[in-house]
Amino acid sequence: ELQLVESGGGLVQPGGSLRLSCVASEFTLSSYWMSWVRQAPGKGLEWVANIKQDGSEKYYVDSVKGRFTISRDNAKNSLYLQMNTLRAEDTAVYYCARDSHMIQGERGFDCWGQGTLVTVSS
Amino acid sequence: DIQLTQSPSTLSASIGDRVTITCRASQSISSWVAWYQQKAGKAPKLLIYRASSLETGVPSRFSGSGSGTEFTLTISSLQPDDFATYYCQEFSTTSRTFGPGTKVEIK
Repeated sequence: ELQLVESGGGLVQPGGSLRLSCVASEFTLSSYWMSWVRQAPGKGLEWVANIKQDGSEKYYVDSVKGRFTISRDNAKNSLYLQMNTLRAEDTAVYYCARDSHMIQGERGFDCWGQGTLVTVSS
Repeated sequence: DIQLTQSPSTLSASIGDRVTITCRASQSISSWVAWYQQKAGKAPKLLIYRASSLETGVPSRFSGSGSGTEFTLTISSLQPDDFATYYCQEFSTTSRTFGPGTKVEIK
């Protein structure tokens, strides 16, 4: 069964750092763009960042540029999100999601992790 | 950056009703739209991609249409399992902006 499993969430103080991980099962990560999406408590979905299959292109929502870094290790079938200088407004459930396929192109985010909660509070 | 709006923000409907949700883009995005269903405490579920293609396993009562700047998600006959929040998302650029969501409630 296709699966994405996130880890690394938790409670962190404002200004602190956290690294999220996402491991893929039953598909080859290297064939897909991958994205991170977050959802603040009681709010809607917000796309955060994505990364091309080979890691050569990365894009971010303006609110996290310069603070968050998306990366991947295809050999480990893993995706990461390094979050620095965290703010209270970064508090959210963070999901990793499978993005576009290298050949099939954009077909929506067809596989999501279960989410990991990041709480930024003193 | 492309902005997406959805209407209505909340919709009250009864079982068996035909329901339509609209998503509007701030500029033309061709057919690069996806639709998701999300239930409380769960990850979103893909329903429609490329504006009108039904994701595998999604019931045929869900359909999508539109192109350019206006898109619709239609549920032909609302079922108990369909009460949820629905989001559109654009794929026309390297960013993947979501709409603000439409909550479908029981009338």
